Order: sequence, then C-alpha cells, then structure tokens
Amino acid sequence: LAKTTQPVSMDSYEGQEVNITCSHNNIATNDYITWYQQFPSQGPRFIIQGYKTKVTNEVASLFIPADRKSSTLSLPRVSLSDTAVYYCLVVGYNTDKLIFGTGTRLQVFP
Amino acid sequence: EAGVTQFPSHSVIEKGQTVTLRCDPISGHDNLYWYRRVMGKEIKFLLHFVKESKQDESGMPNNRFLAERTGGTYSTLKVQPAELEDSGVYFCASSPTGGPTYTEAFFGQGTRLTVV
Repeated sequence: LAKTTQPVSMDSYEGQEVNITCSHNNIATNDYITWYQQFPSQGPRFIIQGYKTKVTNEVASLFIPADRKSSTLSLPRVSLSDTAVYYCLVVGYNTDKLIFGTGTRLQVFP
Repeated sequence: EAGVTQFPSHSVIEKGQTVTLRCDPISGHDNLYWYRRVMGKEIKFLLHFVKESKQDESGMPNNRFLAERTGGTYSTLKVQPAELEDSGVYFCASSPTGGPTYTEAFFGQGTRLTVV
C-alpha cells in the first residue's frame, strides 16, 4: 500500500478555506484516495474518497491531479467545529484494512 | 440508525488481569475490524472479520490477544494477561460487503484501556 505524507499540523481562522495536501508518490493504478476526520475522543469518520480529478460532497472537496501522486482536501469556510485530525489514506482495490499515518492536526481559531 | 457501539468506553485494570472489549457493528455489516492506537503512535490495524471468520489477523501483536465474533454479529477482543504496553485506545469499525474501497468504514467511539 502506498505511503502517504501530509503536514503534521495546520492553523486557520473561522471562515477561511483550508487546503490540506497529501503526497502518495507510490500510488498504484487500482488505489483510491480516502480522507478521514477524527475529533478528540471519537473514532475516525469518513469524509470523502476519490480516484481522479475532483470529487465534492456536502463536507469537502477532493482534488486529484492527473498523475495522482498527490491530492488536496479542501474545506470551505471552516468553523471551530472543524478542529480535528485529518487522515489521508490510500486504499487498495478490495483491501481489507486501512493504513493510517500521522494525520494533519487542524486547529481553527475564532 | 445505531452506529458502531463499543463497551466499555474506559477500562482501568492492573497488569496481569484480563479485560474483554466488546464491539457491536452496524446491523448487516459483514466486515468488522479492530484497530488500536497506543500512546503517541498511529492507529494500527489489528484484525478483520468477515462474518464470523477471521480474514486477516496480521496486526494482532501476540497471543495474549484473542478476538472472536461468534455468529457473525458482535465481536469481543480479550487481552489476557494485560501488560503495560497494551494501554491505548481500541477502535472497532464495520463496513458492508465490498470492503472499504467503495464503501466507508464506520468507527466506534473507542475503548480507552489503561493498564497500571
């Protein structure tokens, strides 16, 4: 499974757009890029998944360039409640487990 | 609809004692996973059930850990005897048939285990 690299931490203010970039240079053809969010004292929660180009849902957008060696999670107009750890994972076709890295700790200030 | 439920939420036991953690997956989810995070480390995979069968237990640290899923419903993870390094947060997750590639894995709140 491809290893992922993402910033350890990021700070933002309420109302700003936050972009978290993840690199996955060794991503395989059948791998998907998946992002999870984790609040303190809770389990991880699925946010978004994509294969290429752009995916958008009610929570975030995921941008994946043509070479798929990186991806960017975009959170529009963050609020204090978006303070959490965000994990970028590369998930193989029909894989049976998730490989978590260190994640990015996002702190949103008022 | 109920999510993944874990019991207890916290457990403090002495070294050498036995502890059993329980996970109730979302009804109908064939896949059940156990993960754990020990202090300062990343969340690590422990094992995966498909219904009542162990699909992958490559992440189980040693034979002091025993996981079961009788009847393919809830699962238990027993640690016997517990050691200090077993302290951490144990997460359970479930997903429907198809694996996490196309469907999301739903995590429980976790059980915080402290061995003293």
